Amino acid sequence: EVQLVESGGGLIQPGGSLRLSCAASGFIVSSNYMSWVRQAPGKGLEWVSVIYSGGSTYYADSVKGRFTISRDNSKNTLHLQMNSLRAEDTAVYYCARVTGGSNAVGYWGQGTLVTVSS
Amino acid sequence: DIQMTQSPSSLSASLGDRVTITCRASQSISTYLNWYQQKVGKAPKLLIYAASSLQRGVPSRFSGSGSGTDFTLTISSLQPEDFATYYCQQSYSTLGTFGQGTKVEIK
Repeated sequence: EVQLVESGGGLIQPGGSLRLSCAASGFIVSSNYMSWVRQAPGKGLEWVSVIYSGGSTYYADSVKGRFTISRDNSKNTLHLQMNSLRAEDTAVYYCARVTGGSNAVGYWGQGTLVTVSS
Repeated sequence: DIQMTQSPSSLSASLGDRVTITCRASQSISTYLNWYQQKVGKAPKLLIYAASSLQRGVPSRFSGSGSGTDFTLTISSLQPEDFATYYCQQSYSTLGTFGQGTKVEIK
């Protein structure tokens, strides 16, 4: 059974850093197209970052230069390093596995809340 | 960037009603269009992928259609568990953008 379990969220001051983790089971992270998608309180969904199986990474303009997506193959885990956090980064962050040729998100984690506030 | 526009933003419907939600892309995306359902406090759930393919385990009352720039999600007979927010998402480009969502409420 495929499972994605996020951790690492919390309250952080503006300008601070946080590292999110997503522990995967039931499949191999490094063989898949993995993403982070976020949702600000009461708002819609925003694709934050992706990492392809080959290692290529892409970022939304809103986080480029501040966030870094990576994976730990030995632990089958996906990470999102978030630096220089801003109030507008406050959101639930979902770990997501993209499946099939349609590039749809077939599997989602339960989400972890990041609150950026002083 | 490809923009996705859903309509309506919200709707009220009764049990058993046929419900249609539309999604328009700012440029042609072929059939790289997916639909998700999200309930309050929960992660989204994939309903339809590639514009018209039903995800495994999703009831057959859900259907999708369209290609190019115009797409539709239809619920043939609204059930109590269908009250939720629905999002379209284009997967034509690397960072697939989502529509703003359509909230389906009880009339």
